Amino acid sequence: SQQGEEDPQALSIQEGENATMNCSYKTSINNLQWYRQNSGRGLVHLILIRSNEGDKHRGTLRDTLDTSKKSSSLLITASRAADTASYFCATDDYGQNFVFGPGTRLSVLP
Amino acid sequence: NAGVMQNPRHLVRRRGQEARLRCSPMKGHSHVYWYRQLPEEGLKFMVYLQKENIIDESGMPKERFSAEFPKEGPSILRIQQVVRGDSAAYFCASSPGTGALATEAFFGQGTRLTVV
Repeated sequence: SQQGEEDPQALSIQEGENATMNCSYKTSINNLQWYRQNSGRGLVHLILIRSNEGDKHRGTLRDTLDTSKKSSSLLITASRAADTASYFCATDDYGQNFVFGPGTRLSVLP
Repeated sequence: NAGVMQNPRHLVRRRGQEARLRCSPMKGHSHVYWYRQLPEEGLKFMVYLQKENIIDESGMPKERFSAEFPKEGPSILRIQQVVRGDSAAYFCASSPGTGALATEAFFGQGTRLTVV
């Protein structure tokens, strides 16, 4: 069954604006991770947040985790055209694999 | 420390042929995951392996697909008698472990399989 579900499926913003992507999941997790995928390339790990962490920052990224709502939000502040990519959340549910959602396609227009 | 290496990057096969995709995990990583990505879709889990063991193959099609991770050498994803629907990007990821010791998974650049 699908674990991580990103929302929205697609997002288009102007350069300099903030972009917010959400991820919802169904079962208890150990940690949640966000990845970026540029067109035609592999995945790049962005940030990992553990279930006992509510908030994490990395550069222009901010990840918040609400385990009571089983959701996470990834905020990209002051976006640039280079941030145009697909963003995936992945959950580690104490099981034996990482489960990915279908992704959010972000377009940052110059 | 080289990252996860997948080869080939691009693979073209005719219907009915076999496709072999290779993945060398990062040094020190003993957990390997294979994912398939169809065009315009997210990643779908296929199989999780540790050295010489298949831990979870719940995402693998029952026929034509197999995976191995031998004691020595790379992990291999093998697709026999390929069909057009097998055309996709196949990504491999490795990690040192899961559960309480989980860290991020490191992904390869993927192998893009095209079946003609």
